[in-house]
Formats: sequence, C-alpha cells, structure tokens
Amino acid sequence: GQQLNQSPQSMFIQEGEDVSMNCTSSSIFNTWLWYKQDPGEGPVLLIALYKAGELTSNGRLTAQFGITRKDSFLNISASIPSDVGIYFCAGPYSGGGADGLTFGKGTHLIIQP
Amino acid sequence: EAGVTQSPTHLIKTRGQQVTLRCSPISGHTSVYWYQQALGLGLQFLLWYDEGEERNRGNFPPRFSGRQFPNYSSELNVNALELEDSALYLCASSLAGTSGISTDTQYFGPGTRLTVL
Repeated sequence: GQQLNQSPQSMFIQEGEDVSMNCTSSSIFNTWLWYKQDPGEGPVLLIALYKAGELTSNGRLTAQFGITRKDSFLNISASIPSDVGIYFCAGPYSGGGADGLTFGKGTHLIIQP
Repeated sequence: EAGVTQSPTHLIKTRGQQVTLRCSPISGHTSVYWYQQALGLGLQFLLWYDEGEERNRGNFPPRFSGRQFPNYSSELNVNALELEDSALYLCASSLAGTSGISTDTQYFGPGTRLTVL
C-alpha cells in the first residue's frame, strides 16, 4: 500500500489561531481525504478531494489537492475548542479507485484557551 | 438513521486465543472495511468486503481473516493472538465500494478495543 507522511505530528495553539497541516506521498493519489477523530470515536470525514488542484472548503476548513497529486494540505481558520482532536489524511490503499484507505499518522491538535 | 455499529466495545484476551469482532454497516451500504489502530502505528487497512467477497487486504498475516454475510454485516477473526494485536479495531462501511470512479465516503463505527495479555 501507499505511504503517507503527515506533518506536523502535533500542534499546540491558542484559541483563535489558524492551523495548517499537510500530507505527502511518494506515489500519485487520485483521491485525498481528510478525517478527524475524537477520543473514543471513529474517524469522521471532513473533506474529500478528487481532482488535482482542487480547493474545497467546509466551514472554517479548507483543503487542497496538490497539482503533483502527491500532496494535500488542510487549513483550519480561527480555531475553537471543539477543533481539538486528531486529524488524518487518507487516500486509496492502492492509489486509485475504490479501496480500503491508507492513512497518515495523524496531527494531534491541542488548543490552549 | 443508525450509524455503523460494532460489538463488543471492549475485549480482553490472552496470547494464543482467538477472537471474533462484529460489525453492522449503515443500512443500504454493501461495502465493509476493517482497520487496526494500534498505538504508534496509526490506522492501518486490514480488509475490504463487498457483496460478500473479499476485495482487498492490507499487509497483515493470514491469521487475520473475516467474512461478510448476506445482510452485509461482517466479522473479523483473529487467530493465535499476539501481544501486538492489542489495538482499536475499526469498521467502516460505504454505499458501493466497486464504483471504480471515486472512493465512496467511508463511515466509521466507534471501534472495538482489544487488549491481549
């Protein structure tokens, strides 16, 4: 399966700050997904990207599918306490089409009031 | 509408034992996926079932197996448990995994926490 490198591993920020995290792959992906996982729960899909160069927003969240198809980033603007959690990038296990997902190691977001 | 459900919530086993985990997908979903989330290793793809067939599997040994029933629910079986099998096992379902066009959204259950002593 594909390997995804996600950074940073953790972020300690103040409430109201903007957040940026990214994900890179050594191989081409035709889909990039961003999930969030809260403690004791399964991951929840935040944004799905299907086309190189695509920029998609979901409220305060914005994600982009890199034009090389080997990277993606997620931005969160004006962070609030409920943004705390682990954010994962993901893509198809075999790189394209319907399949299980391969995940990055996650970015732990911690917000200090 | 009910989400993906998994049972049991928690499980404690000893090395060498066998375990069966269960998953019920969202109504109307035909694809079921299993993932292992072990400390320090992140979420790793285990198995994908669609319409009763195994479609793909991740890099796990054969003692990890499963099946999908006609009602699309699924079981994950792990034989000869090892200490490193301790993890959260997540099940996800999607509408139709074989569309071939794009990755249909996978909806995750809350997981089963397996501890191997």
